[in-house]
Amino acid sequence: GNSVTQMEGPVTLSEEAFLTINCTYTATGYPSLFWYVQYPGEGLQLLLKATKADDKGSNKGFEATYRKETTSFHLEKGSVQVSDSAVYFCALSDSGGSNYKLTFGKGTLLTVNP
Amino acid sequence: DAGITQSPRHKVTETGTPVTLRCHQTENHRYMYWYRQDPGHGLRLIHYSYGVKDTDKGEVSDGYSVSRSKTEDFLLTLESATSSQTSVYFCAISKPRGPGANVLTFGAGSRLTVL
Repeated sequence: GNSVTQMEGPVTLSEEAFLTINCTYTATGYPSLFWYVQYPGEGLQLLLKATKADDKGSNKGFEATYRKETTSFHLEKGSVQVSDSAVYFCALSDSGGSNYKLTFGKGTLLTVNP
Repeated sequence: DAGITQSPRHKVTETGTPVTLRCHQTENHRYMYWYRQDPGHGLRLIHYSYGVKDTDKGEVSDGYSVSRSKTEDFLLTLESATSSQTSVYFCAISKPRGPGANVLTFGAGSRLTVL
């Protein structure tokens, strides 16, 4: 079955540091890949996505590239801010049949200190 | 969380009692989902629906049932709550085509504590 493995946290950085959160996946077929973010006390919201190999998703300074050869979708940001403190989830789609479901990683807690 | 409302947002109950969580959407999206979030497990799919009266099990469906009698409402029922069902429950919606297709939009969550 499908699975997502992302680096365990927590990750603590200083403001303006470079961020990488690793994500690898196992899936049949050609899934779409996603990063979702959860701010304290809130539900998840989409951060970025990529639907095919070599696509780069980007949003709010975050980027991730769909690498089929390494089955990876690592999240990066060049300069983090305190407001980026949140839990980040990598996810992939299951587009088989007529239904659509997501499989999530366990989440990575990011704390950015001033 | 525009367009998707979960109720109640917080509930404390006792082992063995029935509990129903409600998800209401105003987006007319076809797909609806119930996930639970637990430390160390991330989000796990409980049940999902791909249309009115069309539902299917997710990876952690034991002890849960769902119903969808109209497009806008998706109910999650714990027939006899157990302490292992203490969790934060998230409802999500998505649509199969058009702008934003296949992107999940989540509610704010319902925190359930079973004593």
